[in-house]
Formats: sequence, structure tokens, C-alpha cells
Amino acid sequence: DTEVTQTPKHLVMGMTNKKSLKCEQHMGHRAMYWYKQKAKKPPELMFVYSYEKLSINESVPSRFSPECPNSSLLNLHLHALQPEDSALYLCASSQNLGQGWEQYFGPGTRLTVT
Amino acid sequence: GEDVEQSLFLSVREGDSSVINCTYTDSSSTYLYWYKQEPGAGLQLLTYIFSNMDMKQDQRLTVLLNKKDKHLSLRIADTQTGDSAIYFCAESGGGSQGNLIFGKGTKLSVKP
Repeated sequence: DTEVTQTPKHLVMGMTNKKSLKCEQHMGHRAMYWYKQKAKKPPELMFVYSYEKLSINESVPSRFSPECPNSSLLNLHLHALQPEDSALYLCASSQNLGQGWEQYFGPGTRLTVT
Repeated sequence: GEDVEQSLFLSVREGDSSVINCTYTDSSSTYLYWYKQEPGAGLQLLTYIFSNMDMKQDQRLTVLLNKKDKHLSLRIADTQTGDSAIYFCAESGGGSQGNLIFGKGTKLSVKP
């Protein structure tokens, strides 16, 4: 099983709303990631969690707040977003291969900020 | 810095072979990856190759790696309409956290 699940599939929110994206994996992976993907572009890394600790924050604005409650779950809390934050948000998890990683992606949450 | 380059479009006829090319800059990358993304979907890990290998074959997929030229290719044999998608080449980013650096993606169109 190489499944990463994400909820919701679609989300429409106003600029004053607070919402959360959720991600789950049961593969025992200890590294989890959030990526943002705009239309016709590659994914861009936002955050990396390693053993439930935040290890990389790619200078993401504070209106995005990640959380890793346990080794299977990863959340992304959203507050006061801007229309330009509309994108596909992808969660991923990785298995360590020794000298590299095998990374699996979820189906994404399509976010629209109005 | 790290950079991954791909051509943006490829069009082939059903039944032909497709070859998608990629160049990368980070010679320390130990693994190189190919992902497939269909419209509205997430990224599917197709295959990856360890940097000490020249070739890897997996059913209809063949990956060739030229480490000297930092060139990676993905060959899809007997291309089908279901192979129409965007294909991303990726290398491991700096550090040990497994983050990936993606190319811009190659849109493969398969004509019946």
C-alpha cells in the first residue's frame, strides 16, 4: 500500500476564513511534506517534517501554519489567505532508501480563495 | 544552485515509443525520479534510478542515465492514450530531508 490520503478534495474559502487541510499515511514513513502547485507549474516545496519535527520551512508566509500531530498525520492550517494562494496543495511522505528517498504523493486539495 | 530542465511538449502516435528527456545540475543527487501527473490529480511515482546505474527497465518503461552529461531519459514503449499526462523529472534537493527539485514537466500527448 503506497497511499497518501488528503481531505478535502476541494476547498473554497474567503480571505477572512480559517480552514485546515489534512493528510494521512499509514506506510510508516517518518518524513512528510507540503507542496504547492500552481497551474501548469511543477510542485514547489513548502514544509518538511522529519520525525514529527519541522525541519524545512521554505520561507512560507505565516498565514500557512503546518502541524504534525503524530507520525501518520500532517495538517496545514490556513488563515487570512490571499487570492494568489489559490492552488493545488499536495502532501507527500517518504521512505528512506539509505542514500535517497522514495516519495509518494496524495491526490491534493484544490484550494480557491475568493 | 540545483536546476532540472525538460522540454515542455511531446506528441506521439499511439503504439509508437515516447522518449522524454531531462538534464539536471546537481551531480551529488543519488536518486533521480520520474513522476506522472494526470489532469486534476496528484503525482504518481513511476520509477526512479540510483545514480550508480545506467539503465533501469520496468515493463514498458526504460530509464537511461548518463551521469557524465547529467542527462536522464524516460522511454515509454507502445505508448497508449492513457499515457497522456505531464511527466516530471526530479532530483533530490540539498540536505537529507528527501525534498525534491522538479523540472517544469513535459506534456505528453498521444494521438490515436
